Amino acid sequence: SAVISQKPSRDICQRGTSLTIQCQVDSQVTMMFWYRQQPGQSLTLIATANQGSEATYESGFVIDKFPISRPNLTFSTLTVSNMSPEDSSIYLCSVEAELTSGRAVTYEQYFGPGTRLTVT
Amino acid sequence: QKEVEQDPGPLSVPEGAIVSLNCTYSNSAFQYFMWYRQYSRKGPELLMYTYSSGNKEDGRFTAQVDKSSKYISLFIRDSQPSDSATYLCAMSAGGGSYIPTFGRGTSLIVHP
Repeated sequence: SAVISQKPSRDICQRGTSLTIQCQVDSQVTMMFWYRQQPGQSLTLIATANQGSEATYESGFVIDKFPISRPNLTFSTLTVSNMSPEDSSIYLCSVEAELTSGRAVTYEQYFGPGTRLTVT
Repeated sequence: QKEVEQDPGPLSVPEGAIVSLNCTYSNSAFQYFMWYRQYSRKGPELLMYTYSSGNKEDGRFTAQVDKSSKYISLFIRDSQPSDSATYLCAMSAGGGSYIPTFGRGTSLIVHP
């Protein structure tokens, strides 16, 4: 299993500013993901961070608002730009690991501890 | 209608009770069904994983999948205060589409 750390663990920011969240994994991984967990809402995938190429964003999320860097196989950053109170959420970094059940193969997500962001 | 529906609770039970947590879903392509547990101020961690229909037991936990009804359950026997957490169901279709779709999570409180 991968050990994932995130910085900062929490922050309170003013609207209009930007915050960069760092994610560090203790081993090299191909796929890294960024999720958002808003109060009372499902865990929502923001984007897949690709090493050496631009991130792949899910519907409703754009690069200008959530720029992502992935300089190597153990590290990624997510920036929340021009923040508004609606961006208050927990942001989680994750990596995937293979799960097998007989011949069936899927992947589980290992999550970091999250970054709790409050925008005032 | 959301793809995965899960009652957010909170669900409050006395220690020793049997807990039933449930999710319904609409996408018949889902084949892989997972339950994650999330303690306060922590990231979710995988608790149980089931492929297709059927039951799977692990200690005090039993995961049940009924694909004909598009309904999955997690049962916790002899619940303990340490089981107090948010439980998220998640599911994926596989076949190259492994990113799971999560439910909202159910907050469980087991009081002594």
